[in-house]
Amino acid sequence: DMQMTQSPSTLSASVGDRVTITCRTTRSVNKWLAWYQQKPGRAPELLIYKVSSLNKGVPSRFSGSGSGTEFTLTISSLQPDDFATYYCQQSNMWTFGQGTKVEIK
Amino acid sequence: EVQLVESGGGLVQPGGSLRLACVASGFTFSNYAMSWVRQAPGEGLEWVSAISGGGGSTYYADSMQGRFTVSRDNSRSILFLQINSLSGEDTAIYYCAKDADPDYYGSGSHFFDYWGQGTLVTVSS
Repeated sequence: DMQMTQSPSTLSASVGDRVTITCRTTRSVNKWLAWYQQKPGRAPELLIYKVSSLNKGVPSRFSGSGSGTEFTLTISSLQPDDFATYYCQQSNMWTFGQGTKVEIK
Repeated sequence: EVQLVESGGGLVQPGGSLRLACVASGFTFSNYAMSWVRQAPGEGLEWVSAISGGGGSTYYADSMQGRFTVSRDNSRSILFLQINSLSGEDTAIYYCAKDADPDYYGSGSHFFDYWGQGTLVTVSS
């Protein structure tokens, strides 16, 4: 089975910080990697698809990169609205990573 | 405007069954695969099942095989999930989610551009 591992599980950061979350897969997923943001009590929302394509309406401070088995989600300057949990997803087999919670430092 | 509205959750005893529904609007329902994703309290997202736009192909997470049945009624734009032999481990919010790419793209990609608000299933005696 494909495994997806996000790191870190929890990240403490301040407004204005540059934040990077990593997602590693056990097999290459080519370009089939997506990122979601979920806030408490809300459904997840699509941020990035096909590794680096920004969903419409998503601020440009979010970016995605990577290839093969290692991918990153970067927030260039953390904003108050960005404190949430982030999930990667292998989008050709549906599998999600375990999530990374971004907390206020 | 795309909308996905789930219903059918509630409190059910162990061993019981439930049928969840997700009513879709704002897009051509039959063109898109749909999925169910669940989230246990305080836990992460877990993909449960998917069904192609025409309904002819269904997919399940390995741990969901046998007790879960996904189906759809394209004439009414409704997605269903039947869950049997419920246990406490099935307690979760169940979300329906729409594939971003229509089936006719043939992309093989299943990322979700719209999600419902979720319906809570609680299994307890």
